[in-house]
This record gives sequence, C-alpha cells and structure tokens, in this order.
Amino acid sequence: EAGVAQSPRYKIIEKRQSVAFWCNPISGHATLYWYQQILGQGPKLLIQFQNNGVVDDSQLPKDRFSAERLKGVDSTLKIQPAKLEDSAVYLCASRFTGSTEAFFGQGTRLTVV
Amino acid sequence: QQQVKQSPQSLIVQKGGISIINCAYENTAFDYFPWYQQFPGKGPALLIAIRPDVSEKKEGRFTISFNKSAKQFSLHIMDSQPGDSATYFCAASMLYNNNDMRFGAGTRLTVKP
Repeated sequence: EAGVAQSPRYKIIEKRQSVAFWCNPISGHATLYWYQQILGQGPKLLIQFQNNGVVDDSQLPKDRFSAERLKGVDSTLKIQPAKLEDSAVYLCASRFTGSTEAFFGQGTRLTVV
Repeated sequence: QQQVKQSPQSLIVQKGGISIINCAYENTAFDYFPWYQQFPGKGPALLIAIRPDVSEKKEGRFTISFNKSAKQFSLHIMDSQPGDSATYFCAASMLYNNNDMRFGAGTRLTVKP
C-alpha cells in the first residue's frame, strides 16, 4: 500500500517569497491533516479536511497561510509571504474514516532565509 | 497552548535497559492516547496507542501505562536496542471530535550499544 506522498522534500526561499507544498494521501482516506513541526517541537495542527471540506483551521495563520483540497484527494498548502519563523517541516497526514490511526508523509523541510 | 507535556527532552539508555518517557495532559475530554516514533528525515509513525478504559497496553517490548486520575501516561521500552534510537512523541485526541491530535514536544532517545 502506498503511503502519504509529499513534495518537494526540501525548499529554501527568501523571506517574503511564496511557496506551495503538495500532498497525496493514502487512497480512500477522507481525512487529511497538515501539521507544522518546528525543530525540537512536536507537530502542531494547521488544518484538517474531511473530503474537500475544512473541519478545523483554527490554528492556521490565515493572513499568510492557505490550504485547499479541491477534489477531496490531493491537497496543497501555500505560504505567502513567508517569514523567517515559518522555517519548519510541514507534515501531511491522512486517516481512514472510522480508524484511529493517522499516517504521516515524510514532510517538506522549509528553510526561509 | 500546550495541552500535552512530555518529559524528558532527551534520554540516553544502555542497550538492554528500560526507557521510560512520561506525558501529562490537561483536557479530560481526551480519549485516545497514541505514541509516535520518528526517525530523522521521516514522518512520525504510530507505535502504540491506548484508550482510557484500560490502565496498560503491551505490544512486544513497548508498554503504555495510563493513569486516568492523574491525567498521566507513559511509554516503557523494555530491552532497549540501538535501533530504538529515535524521537518519541506522545499525543492526545478526542475521537468523537474530529480526532485532531495534540502532540507533546518529543523525547530524543539514544540507546548506546
């Protein structure tokens, strides 16, 4: 079974630039999460989708972050404009409805300089 | 807002020893407590999880102990091996409320040969 796919693996941008991350969840998983993991910290939830609807985006900095999951499958997370403090690993995870286990991708490591 | 507190930050154990990582939570509505294992450059992977209706769960060398009244739970790794060297995260979530997980800050475990 293929896992959660994320791209790119690494990205270096200058502050005030924009960046986008892509996630392809495990087939059939209706729930999709984006997490931000700052070095030395645990993952922090940014947004949760159920199919193509947003369930929880209370911790998403909406002035600069946006996310979409148009067809209820793939998802993109965008940052515009990026700040130095956005440097982190962005993790995508997915979960099958009715299951308790979330599966994580390898993440995208973003460095803002 | 830290809802799950994890300790220690780092832990060094000799091969064959017992590794113990502790977590405490605040929200009594949490009803699912997973532990995730993360190797460098990889996303977190579910290791073992417990519901609050039991006080202990064991899977191989890994055991979760759960104390509902104290709002604490811990991971015990018996006969620790160098291959167990990784970062471990505890988490808590409310299964009935979208299952978004709140993670601890992580414990970096090093098992010396």
